[in-house]
Amino acid sequence: AQSVTQLDSQVPVFEEAPVELRCNYSSSVSVYLFWYVQYPNQGLQLLLKYLSGSTLVESINGFEAEFNKSQTSFHLRKPSVHISDTAEYFCAVSGSGGYQKVTFGTGTKLQVIP
Amino acid sequence: DTAVSQTPKYLVTQMGNDKSIKCEQNLGHDTMYWYKQDSKKFLKIMFSYNNKELIINETVPNRFSPKSPDKAHLNLHINSLELGDSAVYFCASSLYQGPEAEAFFGQGTRLTVV
Repeated sequence: AQSVTQLDSQVPVFEEAPVELRCNYSSSVSVYLFWYVQYPNQGLQLLLKYLSGSTLVESINGFEAEFNKSQTSFHLRKPSVHISDTAEYFCAVSGSGGYQKVTFGTGTKLQVIP
Repeated sequence: DTAVSQTPKYLVTQMGNDKSIKCEQNLGHDTMYWYKQDSKKFLKIMFSYNNKELIINETVPNRFSPKSPDKAHLNLHINSLELGDSAVYFCASSLYQGPEAEAFFGQGTRLTVV
């Protein structure tokens, strides 16, 4: 069994400021990790994922996340946020190997303040 | 040319009624899913189909019955609706079954049972 904890339900941040959205997971097996973003009135979209290899993964719009096995974390960061980054962000985990379901966290609402 | 489309977007109905939500994907994906997102934004998988075959069936009341007439469609029929069924239901698809596969989500169907 696996689980995901997103401790912050809401994160307000001023435009052009840096942001970190926290994600911790628990799993008894090797994992794949994901961040999905949900803009208002839309479905979820994959932002970035960690499968293997480099522990630092990046998205095309400036977000990055680092897989930290010892701390069982996969925090999402951006050095300078834009108004358009306002959305709900979901961290997710699945076991690696074979077919396993993806477990989502409860989401963090990022509110960028002009 | 929406990738994953589900209808209707909003559904308000009385307790005891039967309703269906339709989902279609034009991505040529083999795997489709139904997720339920409750009022606290917790997103939980309900069903997964791969090439029209049921792969995952989580602990869901048997009032919920998915049907996949072909691999591009996965509909959800709900009998005898209850107040607790109120939620946002998301359809999703992925190229293949496998936890590392990116899931593409529809916009969601907000079901309100009164």
